Amino acid sequence: DQQVKQNSPSLSVQEGRISILNCDYTNSMFDYFLWYKKYPAEGPTFLISISSIKDKNEDGRFTVFLNKSAKHLSLHIVPSQPGDSAVYFCAARGGAGSYQLTFGKGTKLSVIP
Amino acid sequence: GAGVSQTPSNKVTEKGKYVELRCDPISGHTALYWYRQSLGQGPEFLIYFQGTGAADDSGLPNDRFFAVRPEGSVSTLKIQRTERGDSAVYLCASSLNHRAATQYFGPGTRLLVL
Repeated sequence: DQQVKQNSPSLSVQEGRISILNCDYTNSMFDYFLWYKKYPAEGPTFLISISSIKDKNEDGRFTVFLNKSAKHLSLHIVPSQPGDSAVYFCAARGGAGSYQLTFGKGTKLSVIP
Repeated sequence: GAGVSQTPSNKVTEKGKYVELRCDPISGHTALYWYRQSLGQGPEFLIYFQGTGAADDSGLPNDRFFAVRPEGSVSTLKIQRTERGDSAVYLCASSLNHRAATQYFGPGTRLLVL
């Protein structure tokens, strides 16, 4: 049973426009949510995180929104750049003394020049 | 500063052989994690160390997998009697301590079992 789901395997966006990547989760015990970016043949690179007690966190072009009642979070990238093209993973930390991350399957973002 | 490093970057072995994968975490990070990523999937948790001890090994798939961190820094993931299904990218991550949510990943070791 997948506890973290990224239902869109891929997304294409025009350069300069907004990219919105979505993530749903089922475990209400998760206490932190993180987004990672991954290029081929490299390890995941941390982008941005949000605590479960917040609803928004912003860092430059990246903003993460958390809707706890819907068990949904999203990553907004504005403006999108060709260098943003990569696979994006949503991850959640266990909470209640569990420190492992549970990942979604990823969304491949393509930013078209 | 230096990030998480992993060696080897690639490993090809034959079914039934023993392999060791090494992880060198970010200096000063006390928490270390191992994950495994198969094609088309997100990373899956294997084991977590706080200091020298394995605090949570609930993700290890069976007793052929074992990991150590004898001095609280470098860790080695050991796989005995490898099977073709063990082929995956093995990722190591570290965090400042177990309370820090952000885990920083290494480049991974790509294991292929023939």
